[in-house]
Amino acid sequence: KQEVTQIPAALSVPEGENLVLNCSFTDSAIYNLQWFRQDPGKGLTSLLLIQSSQREQTSGRLNASLDKSSGRSTLYIAASQPGDSATYLCAVDGSSNTGKLIFGQGTTLQVKP
Amino acid sequence: DAMVIQNPRYQVTQFGKPVTLSCSQTLNHNVMYWYQQKSSQAPKLLFHYYDKDFNNEADTPDNFQSRRPNTSFCFLDIRSPGLGDAAMYLCPNYEQYFGPGTRLTVT
Repeated sequence: KQEVTQIPAALSVPEGENLVLNCSFTDSAIYNLQWFRQDPGKGLTSLLLIQSSQREQTSGRLNASLDKSSGRSTLYIAASQPGDSATYLCAVDGSSNTGKLIFGQGTTLQVKP
Repeated sequence: DAMVIQNPRYQVTQFGKPVTLSCSQTLNHNVMYWYQQKSSQAPKLLFHYYDKDFNNEADTPDNFQSRRPNTSFCFLDIRSPGLGDAAMYLCPNYEQYFGPGTRLTVT
């Protein structure tokens, strides 16, 4: 059974720092992996999607990497801003591409001005 | 944009009183999902739709049911809500567009 773990559970950094969020999964047979952002009390917004054949994806100050063999993904946020404060969730779609996502519990990020 | 609309955004129900949450999508995707997200926890898949056919996950509680009368709409029925069913309920479409969700409070 696939399990997704995110470390750390919470992170507080001063504005301007570069930071890395970690995600690990137990079954390397995945179709894709996504990173989502969730603001308090809101739904989820997809940030980056990495197909199983890809190594990384970039969008603006965000870069996500995927190492399927080791069951790991990282989300790199450059030059963090207070507006980046949110919970970041990673989710994997199993190898059968059903779109049924298994989520980690998230990392809650606070960027202090 | 493949918009997903959930009504209401906030729903309060009493312990044991049936409640229905609704979801609609604008692009008539065949596939939709219902997720439950309890406070500070990961979203957890409850149901998965392909057209009108649905599958419930193995550990979806028995008091949860879902209906999809057409491609645009699907409903989540909670027959006898308990305090433990208080959560955010999310229904993304196949493109994983999640929308705002419905926050359910059980009093």
